[in-house]
Amino acid sequence: AQSVTQLDSHVSVSEGTPVLLRCNYSSSYSPSLFWYVQHPNKGLQLLLKYTSAATLVKGINGFEAEFKKSETSFHLTKPSAHMSDAAEYFCVVTHYSGNTPLVFGKGTRLSVIA
Amino acid sequence: GAVVSQHPSRVICKSGTSVKIECRSLDFQATTMFWYRQFPKQSLMLMATSNEGSKATYEQGVEKDKFLINHASLTLSTLTVTSAHPEDSSFYICSAPTGTRDNEQFFGPGTRLTVL
Repeated sequence: AQSVTQLDSHVSVSEGTPVLLRCNYSSSYSPSLFWYVQHPNKGLQLLLKYTSAATLVKGINGFEAEFKKSETSFHLTKPSAHMSDAAEYFCVVTHYSGNTPLVFGKGTRLSVIA
Repeated sequence: GAVVSQHPSRVICKSGTSVKIECRSLDFQATTMFWYRQFPKQSLMLMATSNEGSKATYEQGVEKDKFLINHASLTLSTLTVTSAHPEDSSFYICSAPTGTRDNEQFFGPGTRLTVL
């Protein structure tokens, strides 16, 4: 079984300050982990993914995530928030090497204050 | 890269009518597609797994007779919401595996269903 816990339902940061969105996962198998972003009334956009290669993953728009197996975490970070980063972020786990559905966390809403 | 399309993007219907949503993989074949539902301010929940040439697999609590899924070809899966009611109003999103080992999936842009 797989599950994802996003530890914060809402994070608010000032523009230009760092962003940290926390995610812990549980998986019986070797996981693939993803972060998706969803802007209001829009579809999902892939930010980055971990797939058993490098533990520090770089994504689009300056986002990064680090896979820590010992902590079962996959936190998303960005050094400097931009107003356009305000959106809903989903941490997702699935079975690596499997044609299986994705399991979504409940999401974290990121607000960026000018 | 591969693209998954959905049609329509938005639909408003009266209670009791049926609505069909199409999910197409535009430049790749997908033997499996997944249908998710997202209620306002909530996460995506898997509804069913659509399998080309065979019956769909539904998640617990999802009524198969209400949400009819047909995966008649390798590029098309359809979700029909039968006898829709206001509580079926939601954002419906499909996805298709890319076929890569990491199980990355491409998502459609979603369909906003509003039942009056």
